[in-house]
Amino acid sequence: NAGVMQNPRHLVRRRGQEARLRCSPMKGHSHVYWYRQLPEEGLKFMVYLQKENIIDESGMPKERFSAEFPKEGPSILRIQQVVRGDSAAYFCASSPQRTGGPIYGYTFGSGTRLTVV
Amino acid sequence: EDQVTQSPEALRLQEGESSSLNCSYTVSGLRGLFWYRQDPGKGPEFLFTLYSAGEEKEKERLKATLTKKESFLHITAPKPEDSATYLCAVQGEETSGSRLTFGEGTQLTVNP
Repeated sequence: NAGVMQNPRHLVRRRGQEARLRCSPMKGHSHVYWYRQLPEEGLKFMVYLQKENIIDESGMPKERFSAEFPKEGPSILRIQQVVRGDSAAYFCASSPQRTGGPIYGYTFGSGTRLTVV
Repeated sequence: EDQVTQSPEALRLQEGESSSLNCSYTVSGLRGLFWYRQDPGKGPEFLFTLYSAGEEKEKERLKATLTKKESFLHITAPKPEDSATYLCAVQGEETSGSRLTFGEGTQLTVNP
């Protein structure tokens, strides 16, 4: 049973380019979460999605960032016109249901390290 | 707004030297407090969930405890392989969806 799969592991983009980060949740998990970890900072929530629905995007920057979780295929975090400040590790997590019930927390992927040059 | 503060920022121990990591939190109605371990270049690995004050969970050399204001991660007779960053996170009742609020972590180094 594969864990949460993220790709690519490392991504280098020039300023102004687009970055696409992909996340395949664990089998049987229908809830996906994206977090960002800036250098020397803690994990910050970005967005929570279910299949074809954005449930909570309160942590997403208002511009240039978008996320989707289509009926088929992985969840995508898209960053348009990247800037140096977007350089960070982006982690995806999945769960079979909303956290808060008697479950085991999220399962995180290994992350995508985005470097903007 | 939920807040989590972890201390110390970094901790260096000798193998076998027991210690504790602290996680102080403020939240409007705690749904759950989570401990994760993160190794360099990897994603956080789930360790424990605690739901109510007085609860304790154990796993190998780790024991997590919870009060109404803080949680402790006790490490008994640590080994070098316990070296990692330990993250604490909370979810409050007022949080929409399933957002977790993380602390900045404690970087633990265990020397042989």
